[in-house]
Parts: sequence; structure tokens; C-alpha cells
Amino acid sequence: QVQLVQSGAEVKKPGASVKVSCKASGYTFTSYYMHWVRQAPGQGLEWMGIINPSGGSTSYAQKFQGRVTMTRDTSTSTVYMELSSLRSEDTAVYYCARARIEWELRSDLDYWGQGTLVTVSS
Amino acid sequence: DIVMTQSPDSLAVSLGERATINCKSSQSVLYSSNNKNYLAWYQQKPGQPPKLLIYWASTRESGVPDRFSGSGSGTDFTLTISSLQAEDVAVYYCQQYYSTLLPFGGGTKVEIK
Repeated sequence: QVQLVQSGAEVKKPGASVKVSCKASGYTFTSYYMHWVRQAPGQGLEWMGIINPSGGSTSYAQKFQGRVTMTRDTSTSTVYMELSSLRSEDTAVYYCARARIEWELRSDLDYWGQGTLVTVSS
Repeated sequence: DIVMTQSPDSLAVSLGERATINCKSSQSVLYSSNNKNYLAWYQQKPGQPPKLLIYWASTRESGVPDRFSGSGSGTDFTLTISSLQAEDVAVYYCQQYYSTLLPFGGGTKVEIK
């Protein structure tokens, strides 16, 4: 069965960076794009970007350009999302989510990780 | 960029009654080459990740009860819960995937009246 297991909660100071991992299992890792979505406390879902686990290409939402980096390790079927220059507004639950359609950049999201709470506080 | 707007922000419906949520995109998400609307609906319960309910605007994901239905085309879409159950209390989001940037709507909170 498909599973996305994310790393644990993090507490960071303003200006620091955080790197969240998402380990995939139960399917061919390189065949499905992976997305990152975040949700601030009490707020809606915010799409951050996408990575192609096969070639490593990425596309980021304009809001996060220059601050976010998404990478992958095919040997461990893991994708990573690193966000730098953290500020209090980045406090949120960060989710990885798999594209439903194989090899398709434009797809809905059928499997989600459990979420990783990142708290930014001095 | 495509902007997704949902309405209402929240609604309260009696058990067994119909709930209707609207979603409007700032430009058409209907892809002419395959005649598919690139629009999905998700359900999110407190403390849980979102769950895919509907894709291609009207196709139910496997295992989703048939009281959930999606309709619409182009820029205007609707999620309908035909007979609200207690377990349907959640926030519902639409999302377009026509463009490679995948914005969500702002969400609609559904409660029991």
C-alpha cells in the first residue's frame, strides 16, 4: 500500500532553515510527481511546489521562490523540502502529497503524508 | 495565475439535508484536447491531512460514498453532499490542476445545524 511518512516536528528560530523529509513506499517512486503543501494554524491549504522524483526538476510557487528547495534521493525513495530564512509566518504543518496520475505534472493529489509541524519562534 | 474562490466560507446543514459548496476559477480549467475539467475536491477533518474526494470535477475517488458528487465545467463548479452525515463535518477545498501551479480554494467549513 502507498505510504508517505514524514519526519518529525521541528522548532526553529527566525532566520534559520528547516529540512522536512517524506519517505515514500508501496509504489514506483520515480513514476509520480510529489508536491508540497503547507497549512498555517487555522488557515487553508497553500501549494508550495512540485518535484519530479525521476529527474529532480522542480517548480515552485512564486511566493517561495528563492527560499525553498525541493530535492530527492532515489536510493531511499525520499523527497525533501528545505525552507530558508524562516519567519514566524512560516509556522505551519507541511505536507507532502503524491500526484495521482503517473508521469503527469498536472494531477490531483491522492496520497498525503501525515504532516510535519514546523514552529518558528524566538 | 489561476485564482480559486470558494463560497460560502462556512455552512450549517441539518443531518440528512443537502450541502452545496461552490468553487469558481479565474479562468477556465477545461482542457479542450481531452474535454476534461482539471478540478479536484478534498475533504479535511481536524488533525488529519486532506483526503481526495473528487477529480476531473465529477469522478469520485475509490471508496468515497456516493452521497458526494461534483459537477460543473469551465470556471464554475459545485460539490454536493446529498444527505449530510455526522462524519461529513469537515473543511472542503477545491483545487485546479490545469496549470502547473496548483492553487487551492480558501475552503468551506461544513457543520451540523
